[in-house]
Amino acid sequence: DTEVTQTPKHLVMGMTNKKSLKCEQHMGHRAMYWYKQKAKKPPELMFVYSYEKLSINESVPSRFSPECPNSSLLNLHLHALQPEDSALYLCASSQVRGSSNQPQHFGDGTRLSIL
Amino acid sequence: AQKITQTQPGMFVQEKEAVTLDCTYDTSDQSYGLFWYKQPSSGEMIFLIYQGSYDEQNATEGRYSLNFQKARKSANLVISASQLGDSAMYFCAMREGTYNFNKFYFGSGTKLNVKP
Repeated sequence: DTEVTQTPKHLVMGMTNKKSLKCEQHMGHRAMYWYKQKAKKPPELMFVYSYEKLSINESVPSRFSPECPNSSLLNLHLHALQPEDSALYLCASSQVRGSSNQPQHFGDGTRLSIL
Repeated sequence: AQKITQTQPGMFVQEKEAVTLDCTYDTSDQSYGLFWYKQPSSGEMIFLIYQGSYDEQNATEGRYSLNFQKARKSANLVISASQLGDSAMYFCAMREGTYNFNKFYFGSGTKLNVKP
């Protein structure tokens, strides 16, 4: 079992729907991440939150809206998505600073399909 | 320029044999960390091993070891005694020590297939 929990595991939605992906960790990490991963490709960074504040936005379209309500939770709100947004969405967490040996810990991901 | 390069899109290895997955990196930072992750077809990214830029010894974790050659900027993963469960995608990643500390750079990955 991973220490980063993502829900739902699978999501199918239409292009006009609004849905949210949820990520939770209880490792005391103060950095949390959203990645998008297409098949057979590496994860692409979308957003980084550090101490509950957005610190990196990799020019992600506004139809993806992140939210970090507290140090354990990270949400990704989805609205008016396109078929090309179908992918595996991975959440990760890590220490913010300190030794560079701290890995990112990943959840199992949400497989998103846009109809 | 690519920060992390993995030149082997796919690899085959016989069960119980050793295999080396290549990774080269590019950074001007003196302080950085190199990571290897395994991703089975189910999707989760599993952290395997870490090597720091100041570490003088190669990292080892069970059947995994990291062949770190700093002058060549390479950090190859060696898996000894391959098992069928090792079949997965393997990603090399780097974290730089100064700016953008929380940004990991991933390579394109190597798909490893272990044959019985």
